[in-house]
Amino acid sequence: ETGVTQSPTHLIKTRGQQVTLRCSSQSGHNTVSWYQQALGQGPQFIFQYYREEENGRGNFPPRFSGLQFPNYSSELNVNALELDDSALYLCASSSYTGIGGYTFGSGTRLTVV
Amino acid sequence: EDQVTQSPEALRLQEGESSSLNCSYTVSGLRGLFWYRQDPGKGPEFLFTLYSAGEEKEKERLKATLTKKESFLHITAPKPEDSATYLCAGIYGGATNKLIFGTGTLLAVQP
Repeated sequence: ETGVTQSPTHLIKTRGQQVTLRCSSQSGHNTVSWYQQALGQGPQFIFQYYREEENGRGNFPPRFSGLQFPNYSSELNVNALELDDSALYLCASSSYTGIGGYTFGSGTRLTVV
Repeated sequence: EDQVTQSPEALRLQEGESSSLNCSYTVSGLRGLFWYRQDPGKGPEFLFTLYSAGEEKEKERLKATLTKKESFLHITAPKPEDSATYLCAGIYGGATNKLIFGTGTLLAVQP
């Protein structure tokens, strides 16, 4: 059983640039959620993808967007990067209900300068 | 708005000194309560899921319990390798099955 893999592990971008983060889901899971974790805070829900469509969004602006592919892997895209976007971005895979548990990847550390 | 609150924010224990971490949550609509361990710069590692009041689960030195309005993570005779941030998260009903996290408890166990 494979876990959740995220890439890249670290990234440094300049304010105003665009970034794409990638995530492969755990075998048997069909839903992917993305979370943003600022230093010293708990993860905050960005959005969730199920059946290749966005299935709920947290309090994040439209410049945060995503995709899910037929193999259930996913991408998170952030346009017009701001300094406050610097954070650990976490991907979690699960079944649709989430009751079986959420498996998190190791995250991508994004630094915006 | 659904909310999860953890206390204390930080806890320093001596090796072998048992203690408990607290997680209080919005009761209405809660479908499950998760505990995760997170090491610096890493993703959360699953520990327990609790679904109903009175439920208890154990794993090595950790035991999680759930009441009608809060959950506890009991740490018995901790070791330095138990040092980490412990996160509590609730999953609520609705169109999106999202986790709502607390801010975590940073545990430091000194030898």
